[in-house]
Amino acid sequence: AQSVTQPDIHITVSEGASLELRCNYSYGATPYLFWYVQSPGQGLQLLLKYFSGDTLVQGIKGFEAEFKRSQSSFNLRKPSVHWSDAAEYFCAVGASNDYKLSFGAGTTVTVRA
Amino acid sequence: ETGVTQTPRHLVMGMTNKKSLKCEQHLGHNAMYWYKQSAKKPLELMFVYNFKEQTENNSVPSRFSPECPNSSHLFLHLHTLQPEDSALYLCASSQYRDISYEQYFGPGTRLTVT
Repeated sequence: AQSVTQPDIHITVSEGASLELRCNYSYGATPYLFWYVQSPGQGLQLLLKYFSGDTLVQGIKGFEAEFKRSQSSFNLRKPSVHWSDAAEYFCAVGASNDYKLSFGAGTTVTVRA
Repeated sequence: ETGVTQTPRHLVMGMTNKKSLKCEQHLGHNAMYWYKQSAKKPLELMFVYNFKEQTENNSVPSRFSPECPNSSHLFLHLHTLQPEDSALYLCASSQYRDISYEQYFGPGTRLTVT
């Protein structure tokens, strides 16, 4: 079975600074990888996903993520954060022959002025 | 209404009450999901319906009873809950029950069991 670890529970970043959120997964075959964002009082919204091909994936809201098979990682990055990026971020992994997603516990991002 | 809606948004109930959570998707999807989100824990998949048929019951206690009368509506009936059932309950839908199809989430129902 697949699993996801998000090592950082909480990250605080200044507005305009860069952001990187870590995600490590455990899965024997090629994983399907996802990043979701949850703003306060909202459901989860898909930021980006990786199935195959180019290991650098572009998403919405200026986010990107890089799949590194050798490190079993799929870290999320944004060059310059905005106050509206304050939210909780979830990494998830799935398998090509299944429909279930395994989620990490999430990383809360606080943006300071 | 657009996307996935959930009602009520907040619910406080005693352990002996019976209540229901409602989810409606306006996306024409065929698969619907219930998740439980507890603080600082990974989302837990509870139930999955595909074309109105239940295809997944992830060892959920019988005090949670799902119902899917059609592809657009999903209910979660609650009775004799425990305080540890307090959580955010999220509904999601996707075009098909397949990993390649994005799951769209509702805003959730915040449940507090007293």
